[in-house]
Amino acid sequence: EVHLVESGGAVVQPGGSLRLSCSASGFTFDDFTMHWVRQSPGKGLEWVSFILRDGKSKSVDYADSVKGRFTISRDNSKNSLYLEMNNLRADDTAFYYCAREMESAAVFDYWGRGTLVTVSS
Amino acid sequence: DIQMTQSPSTLAASVGDRVAITCRTSQIINKWLAWYQQKPGKAPKLLIYEASTLESGVPSRFSGSGSGTGFTLTITSLQPDDFATYFCQQYTTYPYTFGQGTKLAIK
Repeated sequence: EVHLVESGGAVVQPGGSLRLSCSASGFTFDDFTMHWVRQSPGKGLEWVSFILRDGKSKSVDYADSVKGRFTISRDNSKNSLYLEMNNLRADDTAFYYCAREMESAAVFDYWGRGTLVTVSS
Repeated sequence: DIQMTQSPSTLAASVGDRVAITCRTSQIINKWLAWYQQKPGKAPKLLIYEASTLESGVPSRFSGSGSGTGFTLTITSLQPDDFATYFCQQYTTYPYTFGQGTKLAIK
């Protein structure tokens, strides 16, 4: 059974940094593109970033709202996905989900339960 | 970025009703649209992709239609478990974007 478990969410001050992790199990991790999607409390969904299977530097992309501040990475030997977040702002406050991209369509067929990042002084 | 407009924002219905939620996109996306269901405190769940393909395990009372810029999610014979929030998502080009959501509530 596929499982995605995020961790690392916390309360952080504006300008601070945080690293989120997503531990994957139940499937061959390095066969799949992975994403981060966020959702502000009570609001809609926003795609944040993706990383292709090989995890190389040219196989990633970001939403404009986080470009230059967030870095996605993966360690296929550890079945793990990461999101390094720097220079955090109040509008980065959200639940952060890791999601697996389906093999046959670029949609998210499995999601974790999310981890909450709160940016507040 | 492709803008997504869902309607209605909220919808009240009764068990057994047939309901339809629409999603319009600001650009032509062919059939590259997905629908998700989300319940409070839970992650979204994929229901439909490629506008009309039902994800494995999703009940057949859910169906999707449309192409280009106009799409519809239809739920026939609403069940108690269906009261949730529904989102559409385009995946024709990055950044992938979502509709603002339709909350389906019990009348």
